[in-house]
Amino acid sequence: KNEVEQSPQNLTAQEGEFITINCSYSVGISALHWLQQHPGGGIVSLFMLSSGKKKHGRLIATINIQEKHSSLHITASHPRDSAVYICADNGHNDMRFGAGTRLTVKP
Amino acid sequence: SAVISQKPSRDICQRGTSLTIQCQVDSQVTMMFWYRQQPGQSLTLIATANQGSEATYESGFVIDKFPISRPNLTFSTLTVSNMSPEDSSIYLCSAASGTGDTQYFGPGTRLTVL
Repeated sequence: KNEVEQSPQNLTAQEGEFITINCSYSVGISALHWLQQHPGGGIVSLFMLSSGKKKHGRLIATINIQEKHSSLHITASHPRDSAVYICADNGHNDMRFGAGTRLTVKP
Repeated sequence: SAVISQKPSRDICQRGTSLTIQCQVDSQVTMMFWYRQQPGQSLTLIATANQGSEATYESGFVIDKFPISRPNLTFSTLTVSNMSPEDSSIYLCSAASGTGDTQYFGPGTRLTVL
């Protein structure tokens, strides 16, 4: 059974801080996703990774396949980054989700 | 990429009634999925919607409770039948093409059952 674990569960930061959210999974995957869910419930796919590192604006995602670990970093955090960030592994045709990390960035 | 819309965006329903949620994709996709997110929980896959055949349900979900249709490559519906307050959740549709490496999510339908 593939378990996807995220840490921390909750994170509060001051505007401008560097944020790191971690994700570990237990079996090999074809891809790992980072998703962002805003309070209204809508989900945005931030990254899909199968190796290395990806960057989009202030967001950086890394993955270490050997260690089965991925991190999402947010540089110069802003209150609009406040959301739930979800890590998900991509099996053959479905996805398994971590419990999510609730990020609150205070001005 | 694919843009996905869902209708309704939210609804409040009475116990014992049924609600059908529609999911429309702006391009043809290989796979469509339905997820549920109960309050305070992460997402759970309900089923894979198969075009022209019966949906493939995950453990704990059955067709009688969550009938799904997918008449073509861009549209699917999920019905939540004989609703109870425990069905209060956000229901999300997603779509993927090719190997399914990239999934696109709809905005979700927030359902409250009284």
